[in-house]
Amino acid sequence: GDSVTQMEGPVTLSEEACLTINCTYTATGYPSLFWYVQYPGEGLQLLLKATKADDKGSNKGFEATYRKETTSFHLEKGSVQVSDSAVYFCALSARTGTASKLTFGTGTRLQVTL
Amino acid sequence: DVKVTQSSRYLVKRTGEKVFLECVQDMDHENMFWYRQDPGLGLRLIYFSYDVKMKEKGDIPEGYSVSREKKERFSLILESASTNQTSMYLCASSLHRDTYNYGYTFGSGTRLTVV
Repeated sequence: GDSVTQMEGPVTLSEEACLTINCTYTATGYPSLFWYVQYPGEGLQLLLKATKADDKGSNKGFEATYRKETTSFHLEKGSVQVSDSAVYFCALSARTGTASKLTFGTGTRLQVTL
Repeated sequence: DVKVTQSSRYLVKRTGEKVFLECVQDMDHENMFWYRQDPGLGLRLIYFSYDVKMKEKGDIPEGYSVSREKKERFSLILESASTNQTSMYLCASSLHRDTYNYGYTFGSGTRLTVV
């Protein structure tokens, strides 16, 4: 079945450091890929997405590129801020079968310190 | 601004009580979902619904039921609350034909404590 694997957290960084959170997937068909962010005490918000190979999603300084050859969708940011501290979830939506459901990774907690 | 609204942010209930968690969306979405979120376990799907009066079990339906009498409202019911149901509950919705392009919209969550 479909699955998403994220790197274990927590990830602790100093402000202005570079961030990479790894995400790889297994899916039948040709999925869309998403990153969601969850700030403390809140629900999940869509951060960015990509629907086809080589697409780059971007938002709020975060980027992720859909790499079909490596089945990856790593989240990157060049300079993190304390306000980026949150839990980040990678997810996929398959084009066939359970096309109306998302499959989520287990989440990666990011903590940014001054 | 489109929204998924969960009726309570925080709830405290006693063991054995029947608990109702309400979720309303104003986007005319066909699909609605209930997840629970626990540390180290990520999001686990409890129930989902693709249409009014339709429901399907997710990965962990035991101890829960749902109701969808109207398109915009999806209720999660804990028949007899237990302490192991203490968790964050998240509601989400999506367009049936366009989850692929747009994903889900989530509510803010309900943190339920069963004592």
